[in-house]
Amino acid sequence: DAGVIQSPRHEVTEMGQEVTLRCKPISGHDYLFWYRQTMMRGLELLIYFNNNVPIDDSGMPEDRFSAKMPNASFSTLKIQPSEPRDSAVYFCASSSTNTYEQYFGPGTRLTVT
Amino acid sequence: QQQVKQSPQSLIVQKGGISIINCAYENTAFDYFPWYQQFPGKGPALLIAIRPDVSEKKEGRFTISFNKSAKQFSLHIMDSQPGDSATYFCAASRTGGGADGLTFGKGTHLIIQP
Repeated sequence: DAGVIQSPRHEVTEMGQEVTLRCKPISGHDYLFWYRQTMMRGLELLIYFNNNVPIDDSGMPEDRFSAKMPNASFSTLKIQPSEPRDSAVYFCASSSTNTYEQYFGPGTRLTVT
Repeated sequence: QQQVKQSPQSLIVQKGGISIINCAYENTAFDYFPWYQQFPGKGPALLIAIRPDVSEKKEGRFTISFNKSAKQFSLHIMDSQPGDSATYFCAASRTGGGADGLTFGKGTHLIIQP
């Protein structure tokens, strides 16, 4: 299996622009998680889905952030408009109900100038 | 409120020594405790995980010790090697009723000196 796939790996954008991050979970996994990693706050959960349905979005910072999972093999995290404080590494992870083990993708490093 | 506290923040160990990283949690609903290893520029990689029904789990050179009454768990790396130099994160979550998001500790930067 290819593991969790994320794109792009790096994104540099200007403040106010829309940013879309993409994730393909491991085939057969029914949970998908979005995390953000910063030096100040560490690794924090943003939102997660079960069978394509959002279960907990309490970690989403504000209305500028939105996430979708249109099917079992694809999810997006969108930031509109982006701000410099959104600069971070965004990780996607997936897991199966049977094991609860979460496997992380390589991350997207976002820089907002 | 930091629900998972990890220490130390950084650790230097000689090659062949034992590396010990400690974590404490507050939420008694947590019932799944994984450890992740992260190299620079990479995503966290699952190392080993434990549930509260056992006090210890060993996989190769990595051992988790769990103390439910104290709400503490630790990672021991035996015979530490330079290739073990990385950042280690403990985490916790609930699994009753289905998977849940992980709450992470702040991480421990481990350096193994040759």
